[in-house]
Amino acid sequence: GQQVMQIPQYQHVQEGEDFTTYCNSSTTLSNIQWYKQRPGGHPVFLIQLVKSGEVKKQKRLTFQFGEAKKNSSLHITATQTTDVGTYFCAGGYGNKLVFGAGTILRVKS
Amino acid sequence: DAGVIQSPRHEVTEMGQEVTLRCKPISGHDYLFWYRQTMMRGLELLIYFNNNVPIDDSGMPEDRFSAKMPNASFSTLKIQPSEPRDSAVYFCASSSVKGIGYFGPGTRLTVT
Repeated sequence: GQQVMQIPQYQHVQEGEDFTTYCNSSTTLSNIQWYKQRPGGHPVFLIQLVKSGEVKKQKRLTFQFGEAKKNSSLHITATQTTDVGTYFCAGGYGNKLVFGAGTILRVKS
Repeated sequence: DAGVIQSPRHEVTEMGQEVTLRCKPISGHDYLFWYRQTMMRGLELLIYFNNNVPIDDSGMPEDRFSAKMPNASFSTLKIQPSEPRDSAVYFCASSSVKGIGYFGPGTRLTVT
């Protein structure tokens, strides 16, 4: 079935260090979305990538979609304590979103 | 817009009882999704609707789970009878044809 693998499961970084999380699908995606969930909260949409090889930036966050539309990454430059939370990728299979397991980010100040 | 509304926010019930979770999607959104989140299994898609019609219910774990969407502004997820392993946070999300998911605050269900 449709499955999205996401690594790493956890990442503890020192404030100011960079952070990257990766997603991979066994089948081609129509799009990929990224969400952030704060502790005790709900997933909040960050961005959607649709085109092969697409790269988008939001301030310190850089999102990439692979050429084959099967993998994606989220990179945060110079993490801050406000970046803590769980980052999920969600693979779009038509209108169906399948979420990865998420990467929990902890930032030490 | 108030966003996706879910009720109740917290539910504690005894094993064997019926539980009904409710969701009001964002007005104008054609798609509605029910997700379950646990530490062990992450965020699982249970079922989704398009224009009030169930499209994919392959994620519904057992016959004890059922979902309905009688109109464009209301959906329910029912568990009957409930079991302790159903304890989780249940999210409802809605989206337009663009596919961006807007999540509700979730219902934290505890079955004792």
